[in-house]
Amino acid sequence: QVQLVESGGGVVQPGKSLRLSCAASGFTFSSYGMHWVRQAPGKGLEWVALISYDGSNKYYADSVKGRFTVSRDNSENTLYLQMNSLRAEDTAVYYCAKDTHLSVAAKNFDYWGQGTLVTVSS
Amino acid sequence: DIQMTQSPSSLSASVGDRVTITCRASQSISSYLDWYQQKPGKAPNLLIYAASSLQSGVPSRFSGSGSGTDFTLTISSLQPEDFATYYCQQSYNTPLTFGGGTKVEIK
Repeated sequence: QVQLVESGGGVVQPGKSLRLSCAASGFTFSSYGMHWVRQAPGKGLEWVALISYDGSNKYYADSVKGRFTVSRDNSENTLYLQMNSLRAEDTAVYYCAKDTHLSVAAKNFDYWGQGTLVTVSS
Repeated sequence: DIQMTQSPSSLSASVGDRVTITCRASQSISSYLDWYQQKPGKAPNLLIYAASSLQSGVPSRFSGSGSGTDFTLTISSLQPEDFATYYCQQSYNTPLTFGGGTKVEIK
């Protein structure tokens, strides 16, 4: 069965960096686009980034553009989110999510990880 | 960016009630509209994709309709396990955007 397991969250000071990982199993990771979606405490969902199945195309929310970088290692079935210049407003649970479509992304999500909490605080 | 507006933001209903949640897009998104259910402390779960297609494994009491800018999620007969928060999401283009959510509570 499809499993997505995030790791790397924690408490970090404003301005610092953090890298999240998402280990995927149960499907052909290299054939699907992958997303990061976050949810601030008590708030709604916010899409963060999309990376195409082969890593050649990347898309970001305006709120993270220039600070966050999504990447993937298809040989290791792992998705990453490098977060730099972190701000208090980046505090959230970060979910990785699998796109529903093979190859070309449909831009919706059929499997999600359990999430990892990132807290940006001094 | 496409803005997604859900209404109501919350509602109280009883088991067996028919519940309708609406979602409006700030511009036409054709049928690129999806619905998710989220329970406290859990990741969201895809219910409906492409406005009206039921995701595999989702009970048939859930249905979606609409196109263009106006969409609806209907639960035909609310069950105890349906008390949750529901989000719409446009998959028309990036940046992908969600509605603010509708919390369905027990009356």
